[in-house]
Amino acid sequence: QQQVKQSPQSLIVQKGGISIINCAYENTAFDYFPWYQQFPGKGPALLIAIRPDVSEKKEGRFTISFNKSAKQFSLHIMDSQPGDSATYFCAASLNQAGTALIFGKGTTLSVSS
Amino acid sequence: NAGVTQTPKFQVLKTGQSMTLQCAQDMNHNSMYWYRQDPGMGLRLIYYSASEGTTDKGEVPNGYNVSRLNKREFSLRLESAAPSQTSVYFCASSDLGQGERNEQFFGPGTRLTVL
Repeated sequence: QQQVKQSPQSLIVQKGGISIINCAYENTAFDYFPWYQQFPGKGPALLIAIRPDVSEKKEGRFTISFNKSAKQFSLHIMDSQPGDSATYFCAASLNQAGTALIFGKGTTLSVSS
Repeated sequence: NAGVTQTPKFQVLKTGQSMTLQCAQDMNHNSMYWYRQDPGMGLRLIYYSASEGTTDKGEVPNGYNVSRLNKREFSLRLESAAPSQTSVYFCASSDLGQGERNEQFFGPGTRLTVL
């Protein structure tokens, strides 16, 4: 049972363009939704996260949009740069100590210059 | 402050051999996790330890055992390695801190090949 579905599997965007990655979750008890960024040969690192009490969170060029009724959330990367080329994972969990994250399968983003 | 460290970085095993993957964190986190990453599958939870002295199974625990040695260290053991266990293994740690984010900090990974 896949509790977090992520799309697309891969994405190619021109430099300066907008990258959009979508996720859908099933468990309505989830209340913490992070996005992780992973470069080749490295471990994932937290990029940005949102709680369900807000519909949008922005940090620099990265924005999470959250739709609680649809159980969907998305990552928008504005003015995409070649340095953004990486694999992005959405995840969901309860916001409690010791709670494991449920990850989507990942999106490989390539930003062409 | 090294964060989460994992040893070894690379390992090649033959089918049936055993080994232990080591993980340590220096952030005084209570919770630690082991994930495996396979192409197109994302990160799947193997085992986790919500606090020192406790361990629980995750999504894919078969063929693995864990030990929470102390608050800093959480090891993953393969008793009889199989080719299906060829993967990249990540250890992570977390604690609810400022802002109450369940942020998990990941180590650099161990790349395991089972022949």
